[in-house]
Amino acid sequence: KAGVTQTPRYLIKTRGQQVTLSCSPISGHRSVSWYQQTPGQGLQFLFEYFSETQRNKGNFPGRFSGRQFSNSRSEMNVSTLELGDSALYLCASSPWTGDTGELFFGEGSRLTVL
Amino acid sequence: DAKTTQPNSMESNEEEPVHLPCNHSTISGTDYIHWYRQLPSQGPEYVIHGLTSNVNNRMASLAIAEDRKSSTLILHRATLRDAAVYYCILRDGQNNNAGNMLTFGGGTRLMVKP
Repeated sequence: KAGVTQTPRYLIKTRGQQVTLSCSPISGHRSVSWYQQTPGQGLQFLFEYFSETQRNKGNFPGRFSGRQFSNSRSEMNVSTLELGDSALYLCASSPWTGDTGELFFGEGSRLTVL
Repeated sequence: DAKTTQPNSMESNEEEPVHLPCNHSTISGTDYIHWYRQLPSQGPEYVIHGLTSNVNNRMASLAIAEDRKSSTLILHRATLRDAAVYYCILRDGQNNNAGNMLTFGGGTRLMVKP
């Protein structure tokens, strides 16, 4: 069974640009959540999508957005990139939401903003 | 949200047992105790979770104090591959609104010496 796939794995952007990251969940999983990991702030929740609807959003500015498609694949977008957006962006999938089941994480997309 | 406290780092010898502590003195009756670990250059992976009783799986054991204010993740024989950051996380089993939002603390960096 294929795991959570994130693309691209690495990318470099410059300040002011925008970026789109993609996450393909495990087949049959309907929940996709996104996390940002930086050395200073650690792992922080960005948002979760379930059945194409955003369920929760973390404490991030409106420049961070996301969406989920009918096949459960999800994308997140960061507009007007800042140096502080350099981070590892992780996606996690789960069959359901709001229960206490495990989340399955991808290997992440490492974004560097110059 | 109830928070967890873990030591920043711990060291172990290979093939010896490791006990990773976690304090959660403000845990509520419906909070499940989850453990994830993050190997270098990878996304977090689920290890184990429990509510009140001790739990065992192929990866580890979870010992939960009788008052549930603390817990211990036990790796029975540490290997070099167990070197990772271990996160202790509380998830409310009755709060469906929280969805799959995990609140990560700083975790414990486990170093395993050959």
